[in-house]
Amino acid sequence: GAVVSQHPSRVICKSGTSVKIECRSLDFQATTMFWYRQFPKQSLMLMATSNEGSKATYEQGVEKDKFLINHASLTLSTLTVTSAHPEDSSFYICSARDPGQNNEKLFFGSGTQLSVL
Amino acid sequence: SQQGEEDPQALSIQEGENATMNCSYKTSINNLQWYRQNSGRGLVHLILIRSNEREKHSGRLRVTLDTSKKSSSLLITASRAADTASYFCATDATGYSTLTFGKGTMLLVSP
Repeated sequence: GAVVSQHPSRVICKSGTSVKIECRSLDFQATTMFWYRQFPKQSLMLMATSNEGSKATYEQGVEKDKFLINHASLTLSTLTVTSAHPEDSSFYICSARDPGQNNEKLFFGSGTQLSVL
Repeated sequence: SQQGEEDPQALSIQEGENATMNCSYKTSINNLQWYRQNSGRGLVHLILIRSNEREKHSGRLRVTLDTSKKSSSLLITASRAADTASYFCATDATGYSTLTFGKGTMLLVSP
């Protein structure tokens, strides 16, 4: 099956710093990737849709300048949490569809647990 | 807004028993999918059922879909401790749109 790799798996940072999370499709090309945020024991909240070669589409209420998304190639999307604050602490997950598998199901990275001190 | 609503929110059973989780949704769909998430990990796709299908099987999984009631159920038969995880339903309105996830059911299977 398609593999999505996400790094880092866990990051602890100081308030005010920026953190970059990478999401790579290892064996397929993904023109679109999705970034989710998940609080403990909660569902996934879609933050934005990352589009290769163009601007990301953000969901209502998600700050574009806070959560910078770059999708520079067909296999890599990055999410940068800028000037992180404790309230940004959360589990962030990326996902993508594999065009070779009818684009129906999502393949997920293993997630990044961000803790902002 | 969340499309799917699973119930129960939490389910605790013994190994060997069957586990049934339900999902309700609000608008028309192209397909409905079930995912599993182990604690602190990403989600893994389990099964997809299309709007014109009523039942689907995959190993120990059985999924039903009732579009008239806008509901689906996931049955895990002969559960194992390794089935302990959170299970989410997700709806796809058009077949290639973003998925909308429900709140999930936390399943605990005790040995």
